[in-house]
Amino acid sequence: DAGITQSPRHKVTETGTPVTLRCHQTENHRYMYWYRQDPGHGLRLIHYSYGVKDTDKGEVSDGYSVSRSKTEDFLLTLESATSSQTSVYFCAISELLTLGTSGAYEQYFGPGTRLTVT
Amino acid sequence: AQSVTQLDSHVSVSEGTPVLLRCNYSSSYSPSLFWYVQHPNKGLQLLLKYTSAATLVKGINGFEAEFKKSETSFHLTKPSAHMSDAAEYFCAIPAVPGGFKTIFGAGTRLFVKA
Repeated sequence: DAGITQSPRHKVTETGTPVTLRCHQTENHRYMYWYRQDPGHGLRLIHYSYGVKDTDKGEVSDGYSVSRSKTEDFLLTLESATSSQTSVYFCAISELLTLGTSGAYEQYFGPGTRLTVT
Repeated sequence: AQSVTQLDSHVSVSEGTPVLLRCNYSSSYSPSLFWYVQHPNKGLQLLLKYTSAATLVKGINGFEAEFKKSETSFHLTKPSAHMSDAAEYFCAIPAVPGGFKTIFGAGTRLFVKA
């Protein structure tokens, strides 16, 4: 258990409203990620962070922004929610396994937030 | 860039029979590879990982996977399926060697019949 919580766990909102999802971790991991999961699309990376105030876009970042003002919190904001953003959102952290001269990162996931935009 | 392809979107087995979930990878290097499992309404959980040590990797719940460079494969197996194994399974690879971003396969849903 990597100590990752997400809030809220479920949310229903209306089109056009802003929504913020929160990810909180307790173990000081540097790297944090937001994914969305949709049937037929698997997991898609929205944004990621490699440190406080250091964030970058993933493959499906349009309509989303993130912030990380503290190591433990990574916020995902839907600036103006649309029905296409109805999805399950997962936060993850990664931990480095160092083996020889190459590193590999394994990821640990939060429980997910189910967001419905009506 | 590196990638993985999961060859089956759905696999159905009977309880007590072997499980085989197939994953092929593409990489110019000898990659790290992972299998994750997702039970209904849960987040993904690491099942096992290959990091260039032993080619046969054992994971949790009796699963194992074998890295075969000649076949660019990392198939997940279990000798005897249990009802609790019903879940979705994802093969994964770093987006670039040694990188902190991960590319996930599309997933294979495993059904276990009584």
